[in-house]
Amino acid sequence: DTGVSQNPRHKITKRGQNVTFRCDPISEHNRLYWYRQTLGQGPEFLTYFQNEAQLEKSRLLSDRFSAERPKGSFSTLEIQRTEQGDSAMYLCASSLGAVRDEQFFGPGTRLTVL
Amino acid sequence: QKEVEQNSGPLSVPEGAIASLNCTYSDRGSQSFFWYRQYSGKSPELIMSIYSNGDKEDGRFTAQLNKASQYVSLLIRDSQPSDSATYLCAVREEGGGSYIPTFGRGTSLIVHP
Repeated sequence: DTGVSQNPRHKITKRGQNVTFRCDPISEHNRLYWYRQTLGQGPEFLTYFQNEAQLEKSRLLSDRFSAERPKGSFSTLEIQRTEQGDSAMYLCASSLGAVRDEQFFGPGTRLTVL
Repeated sequence: QKEVEQNSGPLSVPEGAIASLNCTYSDRGSQSFFWYRQYSGKSPELIMSIYSNGDKEDGRFTAQLNKASQYVSLLIRDSQPSDSATYLCAVREEGGGSYIPTFGRGTSLIVHP
């Protein structure tokens, strides 16, 4: 397996449009995480799945954001009615699910909202 | 509010020197500690994880953890220009079923020839 993959790698959209990103985790990993990162900041947690269950969601996450992980495999992150402040790198990570497990990041999706 | 503090840098070292990167954290319940390397425009890459007090070595990298003082550091020996990147510290509490780490803002490292 080649690691976590994300699509698209870049997305440019106009304010008010909806966008959807996809993440395919490492095949045997049952935990999947979404983060957002802006310039000069560390990754900021958005939400987390264990298998198909969404177990945690950041309190800072707007209700314009929604994520799914049907069948516990790939995940999608949708942003509705995008705003210029949503411009960021959206990172997906996965982990095996052990107690002291390690997260491995995908290449990210760079979103630019005009 | 869990906080992870890193000096943003840049930290500039000559090629061949030892680079020392430091991270402090606020949550005494933290049990897992990670260092990630992030090249400009790329995603974070896991370098090391450490869970117990003391040193952990992996090639040119050594992670040092002191839970009593709430700091974790990363030493890079024989620094190379290719080590120039931002280094992110991440800290995670194991209790309560949460597996979400808190990341610092990262320290920019520049290794000059």
